[in-house]
Amino acid sequence: EVQVVESGGGLVQPGGSLRLSCATSGFPLSGYLMSWVRQAPGKGLEWVATIKHDASERYYVDSVEGRFTISRDNAKNSLYLQMNSLRADDTAVYYCARGGRVPDYWGQGTLVTVSP
Amino acid sequence: DIQMTQSPSSLSASVGDRVTITCRASQGIGNDLGWYQQKPGKAPERLIYAASNLQSGVPSRFSGSGSGTEFTLTISGLQPEDFATYYCLQHNSYPRTFGQGTKVEVK
Repeated sequence: EVQVVESGGGLVQPGGSLRLSCATSGFPLSGYLMSWVRQAPGKGLEWVATIKHDASERYYVDSVEGRFTISRDNAKNSLYLQMNSLRADDTAVYYCARGGRVPDYWGQGTLVTVSP
Repeated sequence: DIQMTQSPSSLSASVGDRVTITCRASQGIGNDLGWYQQKPGKAPERLIYAASNLQSGVPSRFSGSGSGTEFTLTISGLQPEDFATYYCLQHNSYPRTFGQGTKVEVK
């Protein structure tokens, strides 16, 4: 059974940092692109970043470029999102998702709240 | 960036109705489009990929069509469990972009 489980969310002050993790199981992580998608409270979905199988290429939405870093450890079946210089408008539920085109499996999400 | 314009933003419908949601891309994207359903407090679920391919396990009342710049999600015979918000997603280029969403509500 494919499973995707995010962790690491929480309350952080503006300008702070947070690292999200995504534990995967039930499939070979090395065979898939992986993505992060977020959803601000009461708002729509926003694609954040995608990383290729071997981390050779990474793509970001403009609003997080230079502040967020997507990474992966295929040996540990894990995906990460390092978030620096956080702003109030980064407040959202962050989803880890399998795939880089139309992701098929999503985690339940982890809430990140950026507030003083 | 490719903009995805989804319409309507909301609609009211009854069980058994045929519902159509449209997404228009700001430039041609071939068939690089998918559709999701999201219920409150839950993660999105993939319904359609490659514009018209039904995800395994998704009821056949859901169908997708279109190519280029105009795409449609149709629900033929709305069921109680279909009241939700629907999103399109283009994957023709980065950054990936979603439509704004369509909330399907009970009439």
